[in-house]
Amino acid sequence: QVQLVQSGAEVKKPGSSVKVSCKGSGGTFSTYGINWVRQGPGQGLEWMGGIIPILGIATYAQKFLDRVTITMDESTNTAYMEVSSLRSEDMAVYYCARGTTVTGPFDYWGQGTLVTVSA
Amino acid sequence: DIQMTQSPSSLSASVGDRVTITCRASQSIGSFLNWYQQKPGKAPKVLIYGASTVQSGVPSRFSGSGSGTDFTLTISSLQTEDFATYYCQQSYSNSYAFGQGTRLEIK
Repeated sequence: QVQLVQSGAEVKKPGSSVKVSCKGSGGTFSTYGINWVRQGPGQGLEWMGGIIPILGIATYAQKFLDRVTITMDESTNTAYMEVSSLRSEDMAVYYCARGTTVTGPFDYWGQGTLVTVSA
Repeated sequence: DIQMTQSPSSLSASVGDRVTITCRASQSIGSFLNWYQQKPGKAPKVLIYGASTVQSGVPSRFSGSGSGTDFTLTISSLQTEDFATYYCQQSYSNSYAFGQGTRLEIK
């Protein structure tokens, strides 16, 4: 049974950084993409970026290019997503999700990590 | 970037109703269109992928159709557990944009 388990909720100050982890189990992850999707309070889903471990390549949505870094530790099947220069608009639930193929859906999702940005 | 637009943004319906939600892409995406269901406080769950393929374990009352720029999600006979928010997503390009969501409420 594939599972993605994310790290716990975070409270951060504006201007700081946050790093969220996503540990996979029950399957092979090196050939699947791990994506990050965020959801602001009462808002819709927003794709932030993703990484395909076997390729070692991360791609990002244009709006996150300069503030988000996605990495993968294949030895532990753990993906990381770091957002820098946090602002109030970054307050959201952040999800990791496995992509079946480059053109396929996201079939398994983590439970979500709430990031609160507050002075 | 490809933009996805859903309609309606919200919908009230009754148990047993047939419901259709539409999704339009800003450019042709072939059949690379996925539908998700999300309930409050939970992660999204994939229902349909490739525009019309029902994900394993999803009830047969859910169906999808369309290609190019126009797509639909149909629920043939609404059940209580179907009241949720639905999102379309394109996977044609690696911007993986989602629609803004359709909130399905009980009438």
